[in-house]
Amino acid sequence: DQQVKQNSPSLSVQEGRISILNCDYTNSMFDYFLWYKKYPAEGPTFLISISSIKDKNEDGRFTVFLNKSAKHLSLHIVPSQPGDSAVYFCAASGFFQGAQKLVFGQGTRLTINP
Amino acid sequence: DTAVSQTPKYLVTQMGNDKSIKCEQNLGHDTMYWYKQDSKKFLKIMFSYNNKELIINETVPNRFSPKSPDKAHLNLHINSLELGDSAVYFCASSQDLDGADTQYFGPGTRLTVL
Repeated sequence: DQQVKQNSPSLSVQEGRISILNCDYTNSMFDYFLWYKKYPAEGPTFLISISSIKDKNEDGRFTVFLNKSAKHLSLHIVPSQPGDSAVYFCAASGFFQGAQKLVFGQGTRLTINP
Repeated sequence: DTAVSQTPKYLVTQMGNDKSIKCEQNLGHDTMYWYKQDSKKFLKIMFSYNNKELIINETVPNRFSPKSPDKAHLNLHINSLELGDSAVYFCASSQDLDGADTQYFGPGTRLTVL
């Protein structure tokens, strides 16, 4: 009963093009959504987030889109750079059983080809 | 001056042993977490502490016992290790319990139980 899913385990994109990573969730009680980036042998690092009351948040080359009716969010990276090659985790935050919890997807490995 | 540090980075041990993983954060945060990343790559919350008080205990076997001697430290002790405990364990911290608070992760501890 995984509540946050990233259905693409990997994605390969040419340098300079747009990378689009997708994430679906099932629980409408989530009120905040985040993307984390992870390099090998390191912990995840925060990238960008969006509140459930918004449908778009932009930070430089990174934009997150939220479609609440479809329970879907996506991360756009443009233009993609070789340093963007990493595993990207989608996460959703909500208040469940008396505590705020962060639920992660299983990650998408993004490879940017020169 | 690492923000969230964990020791050890790698831990290889035999079934039935008891082991501990240490976590320290120097960010002045009030909340700390332990996550487990299993073989399917999902990052799942195990515990969270706020000001040394247990907030989340996500139906983890009681062989796992977190200890928070102060706000900056959250250690994880595991008794009677089993093969299924093999995973990467991540410690994290955030300013408070708000879902919008960014969580900062340590580099992870790869535990292998033989």
